[in-house]
Amino acid sequence: GAGVSQSPSNKVTEKGKDVELRCDPISGHTALYWYRQRLGQGLEFLIYFQGNSAPDKSGLPSDRFSAERTGESVSTLTIQRTQQEDSAVYLCASSPTGRYRGAGETQYFGPGTRLLVL
Amino acid sequence: AQKVTQAQTEISVVEKEDVTLDCVYETRDTTYYLFWYKQPPSGELVFLIRRNSFDEQNEISGRYSWNFQKSTSSFNFTITASQVVDSAVYFCALSEARTGNNRKLIWGLGTSLAVNP
Repeated sequence: GAGVSQSPSNKVTEKGKDVELRCDPISGHTALYWYRQRLGQGLEFLIYFQGNSAPDKSGLPSDRFSAERTGESVSTLTIQRTQQEDSAVYLCASSPTGRYRGAGETQYFGPGTRLLVL
Repeated sequence: AQKVTQAQTEISVVEKEDVTLDCVYETRDTTYYLFWYKQPPSGELVFLIRRNSFDEQNEISGRYSWNFQKSTSSFNFTITASQVVDSAVYFCALSEARTGNNRKLIWGLGTSLAVNP
């Protein structure tokens, strides 16, 4: 079946502009995650959605970052007033609901959106 | 505190060599899950394996094998007879059961493996 898809693949923007990144999870996956990966670095957790529960926003680096998800479908990550330090690859992952009681589910990743802020 | 350490930042080997990537984790939970992911130059993270804390059997999948040792809190990954296509960044990650509804993975910083012809 189809994997996680993300759009756009690449985005170049000017400092101060807003950008919106999209993630389409695997059908039926209730959990959705956003991560940021700076060049040569590991993954930095941003936000997590689980069904209709309140999202875990603990990883969002500033109030310029926000994300939405409608039900168990598409999610959008919005970065307002972009800064050069926002340049990174933004990765989305989804995972199914748990027979592991909320932990240990494998996360399946999309190809990422490469954001460059000039 | 939860933590995953991949002490090897970069490894370079010649094709057909065996290589082991180390992963050491810290957790206070008795129930947890460990993962390995591969990130080739294309950038997409590819799931390799999940192991729960109650299953200490080593696993082999083709040229890949994993050695899980709770006594040393390690979950090492070995590639036998490495190939150029194995060149990638490999990440180890930890998920704790007690995080409940919050299923964040704790990630290591990754090991960059270069397999040279």
